[in-house]
Amino acid sequence: NAGVTQTPKFRILKIGQSMTLQCTQDMNHNYMYWYRQDPGMGLKLIYYSVGAGITDKGEVPNGYNVSRSTTEDFPLRLELAAPSQTSVYFCASSLLLADEQYFGPGTRLTVT
Amino acid sequence: GQNIDQPTEMTATEGAIVQINCTYQTSGFNGLFWYQQHAGEAPTFLSYNVLDGLEEKGRFSSFLSRSKGYSYLLLKELQMKDSASYLCAVKDSGAGSYQLTFGKGTKLSVIP
Repeated sequence: NAGVTQTPKFRILKIGQSMTLQCTQDMNHNYMYWYRQDPGMGLKLIYYSVGAGITDKGEVPNGYNVSRSTTEDFPLRLELAAPSQTSVYFCASSLLLADEQYFGPGTRLTVT
Repeated sequence: GQNIDQPTEMTATEGAIVQINCTYQTSGFNGLFWYQQHAGEAPTFLSYNVLDGLEEKGRFSSFLSRSKGYSYLLLKELQMKDSASYLCAVKDSGAGSYQLTFGKGTKLSVIP
């Protein structure tokens, strides 16, 4: 099992550009999450999903969108990138809602 | 809402014991997690406490007191590889759904 995989590992965006962060898990978990982590700060929940076709906002959803067309994939879309979105983004999955989570390796995004 | 407090940084000596504290305030407590995160890597699950008391896993133990809103992670026989950030996360069941809120993490440095 690969667990949770994320692509890309690193990305530099210009202000106003858009991109999609990919996340895939092969553990057949229904629950998936997107977090951002800024230096010295805790993980902040952006969006989560309880199954294919069902998503909900977390603590910091503004500027992001998600979709969940399959159990395995949970992409995060950034529209009109802003410097405030410079961060490390982690995708995670769990068997039960808000239970032990398995994290992907992260995507380090810089917006300049 | 939730408020989670952990010390920002700690330093301990190889072979020693260190205790990392976490205090929290929440309206619908449903469990507390500890994660380990090495620099530049993803968080990995260490422990989960939902009932009062001590849970032991090898060199790591985690304690919970729900009445005091307090938990600690105890690391024994410290090794250099234990240098990492330790994240406390509280599971809350507010508004009929579960949320997981992370503290800012405690950066532990193990010195020879």
